[in-house]
Amino acid sequence: DTEVTQTPKHLVMGMTNKKSLKCEQHMGHRAMYWYKQKAKKPPELMFVYSYEKLSINESVPSRFSPECPNSSLLNLHLHALQPEDSALYLCASSPGSGRRGYGYTFGSGTRLTVV
Amino acid sequence: AQSVTQPDIHITVSEGASLELRCNYSYGATPYLFWYVQSPGQGLQLLLKYFSGDTLVQGIKGFEAEFKRSQSSFNLRKPSVHWSDAAEYFCAVAMFSGGYNKLIFGAGTRLAVHP
Repeated sequence: DTEVTQTPKHLVMGMTNKKSLKCEQHMGHRAMYWYKQKAKKPPELMFVYSYEKLSINESVPSRFSPECPNSSLLNLHLHALQPEDSALYLCASSPGSGRRGYGYTFGSGTRLTVV
Repeated sequence: AQSVTQPDIHITVSEGASLELRCNYSYGATPYLFWYVQSPGQGLQLLLKYFSGDTLVQGIKGFEAEFKRSQSSFNLRKPSVHWSDAAEYFCAVAMFSGGYNKLIFGAGTRLAVHP
């Protein structure tokens, strides 16, 4: 299995809702990432998990809460989002956060719309 | 500061024509460089990567890229473009900072293909 699977593919939520994005990989990768991508922009790093521990939080607002229950799963919990948080949320994994040469494997993303 | 520049925001070519997408990087150490492709509403797919060895790198879908240290460039090429190549292309450099691997993306080049 060489894929990163993200669910749901599309999500519409109100500003008072709580929702979660899910990401799963079975490649044995030990680093997982959340990226946010606005339209016509490159992906921007949000969080890095290495060996199931949060390693990097790129000054993301607390209304985004990541969770890594095990080495294969990565969640992003959403609460009290704003319309400007509408974007494509991409999950990625790599063999290890300390290995630069392998690149990342990206999921197909969750298209989030906040109304 | 580490950065990636893609000078061309939008490129249009005719089907069957050759293609070159430009990428310049700024990174103090040995760069680990990547090209990703993104179709509309999709995640990113790795086309090719460079981190050592032969400076001409072959990738998937008939793409290749050449690393030129003297010019700080990593341009992507394809000898004959197909209509299905229309997509957004991102150049990226892997930055190792604080013990962790981060991908820094360029702004992207949108490729349109005329029949």
